[in-house]
Amino acid sequence: GENVEQHPSTLSVQEGDSAVIKCTYSDSASNYFPWYKQELGKRPQLIIDIRSNVGEKKDQRIAVTLNKTAKHFSLHITETQPEDSAVYFCAAKRTGGTSYGKLTFGQGTILTVHP
Amino acid sequence: EAQVTQNPRYLITVTGKKLTVTCSQNMNHEYMSWYRQDPGLGLRQIYYSMNVEVTDKGDVPEGYKVSRKEKRNFPLILESPSPNQTSLYFCASSLYRGVGYTFGSGTRLTVV
Repeated sequence: GENVEQHPSTLSVQEGDSAVIKCTYSDSASNYFPWYKQELGKRPQLIIDIRSNVGEKKDQRIAVTLNKTAKHFSLHITETQPEDSAVYFCAAKRTGGTSYGKLTFGQGTILTVHP
Repeated sequence: EAQVTQNPRYLITVTGKKLTVTCSQNMNHEYMSWYRQDPGLGLRQIYYSMNVEVTDKGDVPEGYKVSRKEKRNFPLILESPSPNQTSLYFCASSLYRGVGYTFGSGTRLTVV
């Protein structure tokens, strides 16, 4: 099955700096890679996703890059703000085949943005 | 409002006492899933369902059961809970093949 590794487990930055979180996946057939943000005591919420036919996707201050050959993808947050502080999870899945309801998450990164 | 509703939000129970956590979605989603969240382990999938009467195991299905008799409901059943099932549980639903799962508010379960 799929295995997703996420690094770092904790990340501390100053407000205005950039933050980068990296994930690797094991299943070469995975073709959908979402990122979720979970604020303290809240539910995970989808913030951005990318499919394997795209190398990069941006949405305002966040961007995700994908390297299919190396089987890794990254989340980039620019101009960080204190409200970006949260736990971020990457995930990977196949959208075809018989197990397409399965979504495998990384272990999470606790991002702290200091004012 | 489009949402995934879980109940209860908090539950403390004793070892061996059967319990059910309910999950309902009002978005007509075909795909539903249960996850447990534990510190340092991220979100681990317990079971998922692709449609009514179609379910499959995730990564950590032992000790859990699910059913999907109606499209909107996907209850999680613990027939004989044990302390290692103490965790935060999330139900989620998706319109298309697990893409863009929407999560419920979570159920914090403690088994003593």
